[in-house]
Amino acid sequence: QKEVEQNSGPLSVPEGAIASLNCTYSDRGSQSFFWYRQYSGKSPELIMSIYSNGDKEDGRFTAQLNKASQYVSLLIRDSQPSDSATYLCAVNAGFSNDYKLSFGAGTTVTVRA
Amino acid sequence: DGGITQSPKYLFRKEGQNVTLSCEQNLNHDAMYWYRQDPGQGLRLIYYSQIVNDFQKGDIAEGYSVSREKKESFPLTVTSAQKNPTAFYLCASSISLTVIQETQYFGPGTRLLVL
Repeated sequence: QKEVEQNSGPLSVPEGAIASLNCTYSDRGSQSFFWYRQYSGKSPELIMSIYSNGDKEDGRFTAQLNKASQYVSLLIRDSQPSDSATYLCAVNAGFSNDYKLSFGAGTTVTVRA
Repeated sequence: DGGITQSPKYLFRKEGQNVTLSCEQNLNHDAMYWYRQDPGQGLRLIYYSQIVNDFQKGDIAEGYSVSREKKESFPLTVTSAQKNPTAFYLCASSISLTVIQETQYFGPGTRLLVL
């Protein structure tokens, strides 16, 4: 079983719609969760981090964390063509994994104009 | 301007050749990391370093070597023992390794191709 799994995509959404990205993780002791956005040919950039159960909102982005279900999601509201990218979920399990980040394979989002 | 620089942007390796990828940061971060990304895959950790003169193997260290002689610099050598080196290589840094909420920031990457 992979440590971090994301819905495989690609995900195509019309402009103005909500894009919903999902991520599950295997280490129940995981404590920190990150969403990175990666444009084609570029390096990842951090867009959201979340550490506690519940929702965290930043502009058009909302991260949701449910540690009991070992699930973290990212919602992109009012999707824009500039949101077209691959979104990587990263999880830090802390001491059990020497504080290293584990990454999912990514979900590619295409926003249709 | 604070940040992470990687060079070169593109690198071509001939059969049997060792090549070195540069990574420099001026963020005063203690921890630095090297990742490899293959198409359609997530990032896989090659090596990481918490402090100067200390580094640890990641998940796919075979065929790679690193050094950490200065806080700002963490070069990666892809040796001839790495039989499938074609990939996008990403260097990252964070203030500390053991602060669990610490964010990792990435450099622009080096794309390595085999001739």
